Amino acid sequence: EIVLTQSPGTLSLSPGERATLSCRASPSFSSNYLAWYQQRPGQAPRLLIYGASSRASGIPDRFSGSGSGTDFTLTISRLEPEDFAVYYCQQYLTSPLMYTFGQGTKLEI
Amino acid sequence: EVQLLESGGGLLQPGGSLRVSCAASGFTFSSYAMSWVRQAPGKGLEWVSGITGSGGGTYYADSVRGRFTISRDNSKNTLYLQMNSLRVEDTAEYYCARVIAYGAGDYWGQGTLVTVSS
Repeated sequence: EIVLTQSPGTLSLSPGERATLSCRASPSFSSNYLAWYQQRPGQAPRLLIYGASSRASGIPDRFSGSGSGTDFTLTISRLEPEDFAVYYCQQYLTSPLMYTFGQGTKLEI
Repeated sequence: EVQLLESGGGLLQPGGSLRVSCAASGFTFSSYAMSWVRQAPGKGLEWVSGITGSGGGTYYADSVRGRFTISRDNSKNTLYLQMNSLRVEDTAEYYCARVIAYGAGDYWGQGTLVTVSS
């Protein structure tokens, strides 16, 4: 079973700043089946990044994903007020088919 | 426009059963795998179950295997989750999600709340 550990638990930044969120997999996995989601209070999760680095449809280019194997990163280049939310990483295994979510990073003003 | 609309949540006693549904529209339902993901109040996301587009493959988290059954009716564009032997710890918002490349969920419903309490 793969465990995803997100850090930091809470990140306090201001609009206009750069945010770097980490997701560490243990053990590492060879595929890039890693996604990132944003969840605002009272809303369903919203897909931001899939395949570790591909932006989902309609996602602004200030969001970018990178990494492979053990360490994955979500970067928000210049924070907008609407970006303050909780972010989750998610890994997908094909055999056996299983999804795992990280515990989340809260991005606050 | 892709839409997913969950329904069927409610208040149950421990040991009870409930079926929640997810009505899909705006895409070719049978072409996509689907998943159920839940979120306990104030907690993170937990994958519950997944099903292939044809319905021939079903998958479960260890926490629900043997108690929950996922199914789909492609003629009705509807996904189901039958939940039996419910426990207090099954209390959560239940979301359905469409699965795309790399296992990501690109569209999610608004959720249906299942509360298990005595």
